[in-house]
Amino acid sequence: DAGVTQSPTHLIKTRGQHVTLRCSPISGHKSVSWYQQVLGQGPQFIFQYYEKEERGRGNFPDRFSARQFPNYSSELNVNALLLGDSALYLCASSSDRVQTQYFGPGTRLLVL
Amino acid sequence: KNEVEQSPQNLTAQEGEFITINCSYSVGISALHWLQQHPGGGIVSLFMLSSGKKKHGRLIATINIQEKHSSLHITASHPRDSAVYICAVRSGGGADGLTFGKGTHLIIQP
Repeated sequence: DAGVTQSPTHLIKTRGQHVTLRCSPISGHKSVSWYQQVLGQGPQFIFQYYEKEERGRGNFPDRFSARQFPNYSSELNVNALLLGDSALYLCASSSDRVQTQYFGPGTRLLVL
Repeated sequence: KNEVEQSPQNLTAQEGEFITINCSYSVGISALHWLQQHPGGGIVSLFMLSSGKKKHGRLIATINIQEKHSSLHITASHPRDSAVYICAVRSGGGADGLTFGKGTHLIIQP
């Protein structure tokens, strides 16, 4: 059975651009969470979606948005990119909001 | 907001040694996770626990809810255990996602 998949694996953008990151959860998992991990730091919580609704939001500006589709896959969108948005973006899925989270390999974003 | 502290930040040990990584948090939690992150970024969930002790192979995780403290132990350590080990907690109903520590960078030398 496939694990959590994310695309793309790597991405280079310039300041001011927009980016869309994608995540497919493990089959049967209805909850998807997004995290940002800056180099040398632990991940920071961005969003949690469950049953296609936002269930939690971390301390990130409105430039960050996300959605979850009927098949439970998810997109993370970041507008007006800043240099400081350069990070590893991790997606994690779980069967519900509080069970063990399974992480994808991440998307490494570099903003120049 | 929960503060999660891990110690040590870096640990280098010889193959075969018994390893202990500590995690403390500031606010009551519903669950604590131990995660392993290898170079390149992939994160693997090792344990989720809310009380007591769990064991999987050479890994043991314990938690003391009253003291707001957890430990991850590795017995008979091996170079393939070299990775970053991260403690993460879920507070209350989970609406704020996981709060992560900064991680412990473990190197096991042959």
